[in-house]
Amino acid sequence: GQNIDQPTEMTATEGAIVQINCTYQTSGFNGLFWYQQHAGEAPTFLSYNVLDGLEEKGRFSSFLSRSKGYSYLLLKELQMKDSASYLCAVRPSGYSTLTFGKGTMLLVSP
Amino acid sequence: DAGVIQSPRHEVTEMGQEVTLRCKPISGHDYLFWYRQTMMRGLELLIYFNNNVPIDDSGMPEDRFSAKMPNASFSTLKIQPSEPRDSAVYFCASSLLVLGGSRSGANVLTFGAGSRLTVL
Repeated sequence: GQNIDQPTEMTATEGAIVQINCTYQTSGFNGLFWYQQHAGEAPTFLSYNVLDGLEEKGRFSSFLSRSKGYSYLLLKELQMKDSASYLCAVRPSGYSTLTFGKGTMLLVSP
Repeated sequence: DAGVIQSPRHEVTEMGQEVTLRCKPISGHDYLFWYRQTMMRGLELLIYFNNNVPIDDSGMPEDRFSAKMPNASFSTLKIQPSEPRDSAVYFCASSLLVLGGSRSGANVLTFGAGSRLTVL
């Protein structure tokens, strides 16, 4: 079976740094993805990790440890527009489908 | 590119009625996915196609749900008859498998704007 856990909600202040954790237990592993979803909108792709380590893309970074079944998304210099749900997703095998966590709702306050 | 296009954006119907949701994937993409999102269950995969062929429909909840992809540019998800518990946002997504390079195998999904279904 597949199990992906992430916190339900987080709050942070504008300009701060926040780390959103994700742990997973899946029958296989072929990549971990982070998506951002603003209220009422579609999920949009943020990052992809398939090997251990840190992937950096501007203000966003994503880390993966396959041995621990663990990933985090790091958001720096938070802006109000970063208030959204952040979805962790795992590709259990092959190159196709993704299994999503329920998402972490991040609220950035002034 | 216009992205993944879904219609209708909103649908309100009564229990027992047939619902048809439509999706136009990004041109050239060879995978198409139908997901359903609710507060309780999050994003769940219903079915996906590769080159217009259904590959895995194990997520389709019941026989009331069916999906087709008659050609590379169009797919439908049909619910007949609809029930209140089918109320959700239905997302279509498409992707292109790219092998080679820094993103080899990433096969990033691009989602449409979703169809919000309310069954009364």
